[in-house]
Amino acid sequence: DIQMTQSPSSLSVSVGDRVTITCRASQSISSHLNWYQQKPGKAPKVLIYAASSLQSGVPSRFSGSGSGTDFTLTISNLQPEDFATYYCQQSYSAPRWSFGQGTKLEIK
Amino acid sequence: QVQLVQSGAEVKKPGASVRISCKASGYTFTKYYIHWVRQAPGQGLEWMGIINPSAGDTNYAHRFQGGVTMTRDRSTNTVYMDLSSLTSEDTAVYYCARESPGHCTSTSCRYYFDYWGQGTLVTVSS
Repeated sequence: DIQMTQSPSSLSVSVGDRVTITCRASQSISSHLNWYQQKPGKAPKVLIYAASSLQSGVPSRFSGSGSGTDFTLTISNLQPEDFATYYCQQSYSAPRWSFGQGTKLEIK
Repeated sequence: QVQLVQSGAEVKKPGASVRISCKASGYTFTKYYIHWVRQAPGQGLEWMGIINPSAGDTNYAHRFQGGVTMTRDRSTNTVYMDLSSLTSEDTAVYYCARESPGHCTSTSCRYYFDYWGQGTLVTVSS
């Protein structure tokens, strides 16, 4: 099975910061990589699919990059509503998908 | 509009079984695969398995094989997940999610979860 490793597991940041979260796959997954945001008590919400495509309705301060094994989610000009947990997820090994362990953004 | 509406919270004793439902609306039920994802308290997301609502075929994560059964009812546009031999480690929120094709090339598509159910909390306690 493909293992997904995110770093860091948590991050203390301030409003207005630029944030970078990384995700590494245990083998090449091409661009079959998605990013989700989850707030407490809520279902996850997709931000980025296919490594770099912005989901409709998601603010443009979110962006994704990468291919193969290494991927990045970047949030520019962090807003108060962005404090949440972020997960990467691979859909390369269909139908067996897997998630990273999550990165929690906390207020500094 | 697309909706996945899950059944309500459950409290079960160890060794019992539970059935969770996920009712789809707003789209053609048989055209999109449904996945189930588990989230234990304070933990991350864990992929459990997938069902094809059209043919009913399934595929489960290795660690859930033998304890999970996914089925569907095309007459009611509902997917079910049965969990058996529950232990306290099965206490979690369970989500259903719809798989959708994102970016597609001539040879393949990049799939992702575009809609999620609201989650069902299953508590296993004696």
